[in-house]
Amino acid sequence: GDSVTQMEGPVTLSEEAFLTINCTYTATGYPSLFWYVQYPGEGLQLLLKATKADDKGSNKGFEATYRKETTSFHLEKGSVQVSDSAVYFCALSDPNTGTASKLTFGTGTRLQVTL
Amino acid sequence: EPEVTQTPSHQVTQMGQEVILRCVPISNHLYFYWYRQILGQKVEFLVSFYNNEISEKSEIFDDQFSVERPDGSNFTLKIRSTKLEDSAMYFCASRNLVTTDTQYFGPGTRLTVL
Repeated sequence: GDSVTQMEGPVTLSEEAFLTINCTYTATGYPSLFWYVQYPGEGLQLLLKATKADDKGSNKGFEATYRKETTSFHLEKGSVQVSDSAVYFCALSDPNTGTASKLTFGTGTRLQVTL
Repeated sequence: EPEVTQTPSHQVTQMGQEVILRCVPISNHLYFYWYRQILGQKVEFLVSFYNNEISEKSEIFDDQFSVERPDGSNFTLKIRSTKLEDSAMYFCASRNLVTTDTQYFGPGTRLTVL
């Protein structure tokens, strides 16, 4: 079945450091890929997405490129801020699993940014 | 900007009791979902709902669980007889019909079973 693997956290960075959170996936078809963010005490918010190979999703300075050859969708940001501290979830939606296209999530990576 | 809302934000119940978690999806969305997140673990799919019937359900979604769209706006998750292991954050999500595969999540209901 479909699965998403994320790098283990927590990730602790100083403000203005470069961020990479690795995500790889296994899917039977051609999934859409997502990054969701969960701030402390809040629900899941869509951060960015990509729907086909070589697409780059971007939002709020975060980027991720859909790499079919390596089945990856790594999240990057050039300069993190304290306000980016949150849990980041990589997820996929595989249309081959049916029209409802449930999301399959990774385990989440906690990011802690310090001054 | 329209958003998914959920009530209550926190529900405490005794083991064996029935609970109903409520969600109001975004108004023009037609696909509805429930997910849960046990503390410290990944978000897990429970069930999807479209056209007044279940589209897909996971192994977690056993006979103790049911979903309903009782009117044009609400989408509910009922747990018939709660167990300690049902303690989790439950998220509702909704999606537009065909123009996007993006699911929009509510803030969640934290269920605590004592």
